[in-house]
Amino acid sequence: QKEVEQNSGPLSVPEGAIASLNCTYSDRGSQSFFWYRQYSGKSPELIMFIYSNGDKEDGRFTAQLNKASQYVSLLIRDSQPSDSATYLCAVNRRDSGYALNFGKGTSLLVTP
Amino acid sequence: GAGVSQSPSNKVTEKGKDVELRCDPISGHTALYWYRQSLGQGLEFLIYFQGNSAPDKSGLPSDRFSAERTGGSVSTLTIQRTQQEDSAVYLCATPRGGGDEQYFGPGTRLTVT
Repeated sequence: QKEVEQNSGPLSVPEGAIASLNCTYSDRGSQSFFWYRQYSGKSPELIMFIYSNGDKEDGRFTAQLNKASQYVSLLIRDSQPSDSATYLCAVNRRDSGYALNFGKGTSLLVTP
Repeated sequence: GAGVSQSPSNKVTEKGKDVELRCDPISGHTALYWYRQSLGQGLEFLIYFQGNSAPDKSGLPSDRFSAERTGGSVSTLTIQRTQQEDSAVYLCATPRGGGDEQYFGPGTRLTVT
């Protein structure tokens, strides 16, 4: 079973701080990596994807990928209370038509 | 349509009954994925379609689960003889644009009593 591991949290950060969310994966052949945000009672919403080693920035979000270490992270700058949610890391499967393997998510709480 | 839609949004059924869950994907995309999110289990892959065919059904938890897709569009996931452990949110996802990023529908919350 190819696995995706995340710390379940909760991760608590004060408003305005940087939140750092981490994810490791076991399938060295994985090529595509995704971060989803999920509010309670809602479906996952794609917020970032990254395919190459290094950093990818989009607004307040930065995704970081290190394939050698099999490590993906998401940084949220200037965290806001509205960022409080569960963040799911997902990695594509090379079989099953590139379906996604998900971690169990990290709960983030941004306190005012 | 512009997004993925699913119906019903909520379904409560008695143990032993059959249920059908529907996914109406973003138009123009051949790939469609079903996932299930259970409390404490996270999101797990069930089945995917490429057009109308399902090359990999290995994620389906038992032979009570089946899925079909017609016209390369709408897909239905059928659960026969529902059990309490089938209670979960069932999510459908499709790509959008030229990449393999997947976008989820709102899900169907299934409760088996």
